[in-house]
Amino acid sequence: KAGVTQTPRYLIKTRGQQVTLSCSPISGHRSVSWYQQTPGQGLQFLFEYFSETQRNKGNFPGRFSGRQFSNSRSEMNVSTLELGDSALYLCASHPRGASGTDTQYFGPGTRLTVL
Amino acid sequence: QQQVKQSPQSLIVQKGGISIINCAYENTAFDYFPWYQQFPGKGPALLIAIRPDVSEKKEGRFTISFNKSAKQFSLHIMDSQPGDSATYFCAATSHLSNDYKLSFGAGTTVTVRA
Repeated sequence: KAGVTQTPRYLIKTRGQQVTLSCSPISGHRSVSWYQQTPGQGLQFLFEYFSETQRNKGNFPGRFSGRQFSNSRSEMNVSTLELGDSALYLCASHPRGASGTDTQYFGPGTRLTVL
Repeated sequence: QQQVKQSPQSLIVQKGGISIINCAYENTAFDYFPWYQQFPGKGPALLIAIRPDVSEKKEGRFTISFNKSAKQFSLHIMDSQPGDSATYFCAATSHLSNDYKLSFGAGTTVTVRA
C-alpha cells in the first residue's frame, strides 16, 4: 500500500500571502488529521476531517482552515501568512472506526517558510 | 498547556547501552499511548503503542512501561544502535468521545555514539 503523500514538500511564501497544502491518505483511510510542527511549540494538532466533515479542531486562529473531498484527500489553507506560520505541516491518515486500528500514519510533511 | 510532559529533552548513549525516555500525563481519559520516531526530514513513524490495561509491552529492542496510578509511561531502547539516533515523541489520545487527536510530548533527541 502506498503511504501518505503530501504536496508540495517545500514552499516559500511572503507575509500576507495564502497557501494551500494537499494530503492524500492511505487507500481506504477515511480520516485525515493535520499537525503543525515547530521547534518552539513541538507537534500541535490543527484539525481532523472524516467523511468530508471537520470532527475536531485545535487551538489555532481562523486563518487556518481545511477541507476533505469525497475521495478522502484533504487540503489545508492558511490565509494572511505570518512569520510564525513557518513550520513543518504534517498530515496523518487513519482508518477511523475499524476495530483494533488506532494507528495514525504520518506523511513526510510540507516545509513552509514565510519570509 | 502541554497535556503530555516528556523528559529528558536530549540524551547521549553509547552503542549497546540503554536509552530511557519518560512521559507523564494528567488527563485520565487518555486510553492509547503511542511512541513515534522521527528522523530529520521525515514524518513521525509509529514505533510502539500501549493501552492502559497492560503494564508493559515489548517489541524487539523497544519496551514501553506503563504506570496507570502514577499516570506515567516510559520507553526503553535496549542495545541502542547508531541507527536509533532520532527524535522520539510520546503521545496520548482518548477514544472515549470518538476523539483521535494526538497530544504529543515535546520530544527527546537521542544520539547513539558508536
